[in-house]
Amino acid sequence: EVQLVESGGGLVQPGGSLRLSCAASGFTFSGYWMHWVRQAPGKGLVWVSRINTDGSSTSYADSVKGRFTISRDNAKNTLYLQMNSLRAEDTAVYYCARGNDFWSDKWGQGTLVTVSS
Amino acid sequence: EIMMTQSPATLSVSPGERATLSCRASQSVSSNLAWYQQKPGQAPRLLIYGASTRATGIPARFSGSGSGTEFTLTISSLQSEDFAVYYCQQYNNWPLTFGGGTKVEIK
Repeated sequence: EVQLVESGGGLVQPGGSLRLSCAASGFTFSGYWMHWVRQAPGKGLVWVSRINTDGSSTSYADSVKGRFTISRDNAKNTLYLQMNSLRAEDTAVYYCARGNDFWSDKWGQGTLVTVSS
Repeated sequence: EIMMTQSPATLSVSPGERATLSCRASQSVSSNLAWYQQKPGQAPRLLIYGASTRATGIPARFSGSGSGTEFTLTISSLQSEDFAVYYCQQYNNWPLTFGGGTKVEIK
């Protein structure tokens, strides 16, 4: 069974940092592109970042470019999102998702990031 | 950035009835469109990609159509488990963008 389990969320002050992790199991992790998508409370879905199968290609939404870094460790079957210089508007549930470079066919349950003083 | 607009925001439908959801792109996305379903407190679930291809395990009552800037998701006969929020997403241009969602509620 495909499983994606996010962790690392929590309460952080504006300007702070967090690193999210997504542990993958039940499929060949190195064979899939991976994405981070976020959803602010009561709002819609917003794509954040994506990474190709070997980590050599990454893309970011303009709103996080220069502050967030996506990476992966295929030996550990784990996806990461390093988030720096966090702002109140980054408050959201962050989902990791498996897919290709265009859409995502499996999603984790998400981890909540709250940026507040 | 391509803007995706979904209508209506809320659709009230009785079980067994047909539901038709619309998604419009601010410029052509060809057939590079996906649909997702999200239930409260759950992760999104891929329904459709390529505008009309059902994802693995998706029931035949879900169908997608359209190309260019106008797309439709049709649920032929609503089941209780179909009441949820539905999002369209274009993948023709970067960044990937989602519509604001249509909530399908019980009438």
